[in-house]
Amino acid sequence: GNSVTQMEGPVTLSEEAFLTINCTYTATGYPSLFWYVQYPGEGLQLLLKATKADDKGSNKGFEATYRKETTSFHLEKGSVQVSDSAVYFCALSPYGGATNKLIFGTGTLLAVQP
Amino acid sequence: DAMVIQNPRYQVTQFGKPVTLSCSQTLNHNVMYWYQQKSSQAPKLLFHYYDKDFNNEADTPDNFQSRRPNTSFCFLDIRSPGLGDAAMYLCATSRISYGQGNQPQHFGDGTRLSIL
Repeated sequence: GNSVTQMEGPVTLSEEAFLTINCTYTATGYPSLFWYVQYPGEGLQLLLKATKADDKGSNKGFEATYRKETTSFHLEKGSVQVSDSAVYFCALSPYGGATNKLIFGTGTLLAVQP
Repeated sequence: DAMVIQNPRYQVTQFGKPVTLSCSQTLNHNVMYWYQQKSSQAPKLLFHYYDKDFNNEADTPDNFQSRRPNTSFCFLDIRSPGLGDAAMYLCATSRISYGQGNQPQHFGDGTRLSIL
C-alpha cells in the first residue's frame, strides 16, 4: 500500500540554521509528492510539489527533490527564520487517481528560536 | 483572491446536538474534501465529492454526513456529536488530475469544533 514516513519532531533550531526534514515514501507507480505547512490555528498551505523523478520543488527558500531511487523527498532550507516555525507535512498522491487523494506523513513540528 | 472559506472558525455545540459546518470555494474546482484533524496529528480524510459523486472513506463513522448542493458549497453534518468528535475540521478542493494525481489540494483555515 501507499504510505509516508517523516522524521519525528519536534525539531528545534536557532535562526539561520540549516534545516532538513526527512521524508520517505512507499507507493506503486509514480506518485506526486507534496510538502504542506500548517501554522498554528490555520489550515494547510501547499509549500512545494514534485510530480516526477528528479523534479525539484522550491518555494520561499525551501527545496525538495523527488528521488525515486531512494524513495525520498526530503525538505531543506539553507537558513531558517523564526517565522518558519510551523508543522510540516509530507504527502503523496498516488498515480492513477482522478481525485488527488493525499496520504500524509505524521507531520514534523519545527520550532525556530531567535 | 480565489480561495476556500470555512465558516464558522470556531463552533461550540452540545453533546448529541446536530451541527453543520460549511465550506465555500471560489476556485471552481470539481473535487471537495472534508478532513478531521485532532491535535498533533495529520488530517484524516472523511469523504470527498467528485462533482456530485459522493465518496465515503471506509472508516468514516455514520454520524458524519455531507451535502454538496452546487459546485461552490459543501457542508459537513455531524448528527449526534460525541466528545471524541472535538477536532479541527478542514475543507479542501482540487482540480481533477485525469489519472495523474498531480493536482494539489487547497485548504481552508478550518473550523475548530468543541463539544460541551
